[in-house]
Amino acid sequence: QSALTQPASVSGSPGQSITISCTGTISDVGAYDAVSWYQQHPGKAPKLIIYDVNHRPSGVSDRFSGSKSGNTASLTISGLQADDEADYHCSSYRSSSSRLFGGGTKLTVL
Amino acid sequence: EVQLVESGGGLAQPGGSLSLSCAASGFTFSGNAMSWIRQAPGKGLEWVSVIAGRTGTRYYADFVAGRFTISRDNSRNTLYLHINNLRVDDTAVYYCATDTPLGFGSGWQRNHFDHWGQGTLVTVSS
Repeated sequence: QSALTQPASVSGSPGQSITISCTGTISDVGAYDAVSWYQQHPGKAPKLIIYDVNHRPSGVSDRFSGSKSGNTASLTISGLQADDEADYHCSSYRSSSSRLFGGGTKLTVL
Repeated sequence: EVQLVESGGGLAQPGGSLSLSCAASGFTFSGNAMSWIRQAPGKGLEWVSVIAGRTGTRYYADFVAGRFTISRDNSRNTLYLHINNLRVDDTAVYYCATDTPLGFGSGWQRNHFDHWGQGTLVTVSS
């Protein structure tokens, strides 16, 4: 069982918006703004798309946004495109240098 | 351009040992903390260990239980992970990643994994 809880799958049609949740505890997601999101296409390495809850690295589309409320963080993808079809992983700082990940969410673009 | 290339994976027997390497280029390796992260087949990501850039301070996930050793050679721009007493559940793709202070918290809270290698597959089976 993964430390952070994500839905196994979500889906949406091109042009729509979807949101993926990531639920932790008061010791990780709820305690720190150190939440990040990674996009992983099949057979590829993960790519950082959101850090510190809602910050995008240079070059990442503004269609990707993040938020947090209590122990749950969320990733929203607006204007869905075919290339957004991938696995999405959330991560949170916990303590010392320890980082936790979720089980990953498979996004299907219908 | 940042490049990370892992090697050393393969088939190993339970109870055996294995050493993984990660060759880095395109950035100041000695100034960057580095992490190993693994992904079992069909599963999510799991952070394994981190080593600081200049001090070499190391931290491990709880499940490591003394079986893994992370190290680095800044003169060779290379990161290593040695795994002892291999178990079947160590089967995974092992990624190295730059562990970079991008955020606004304090200490390791600021760090996120901003560049990843392609991974090397470790299969533990008799």
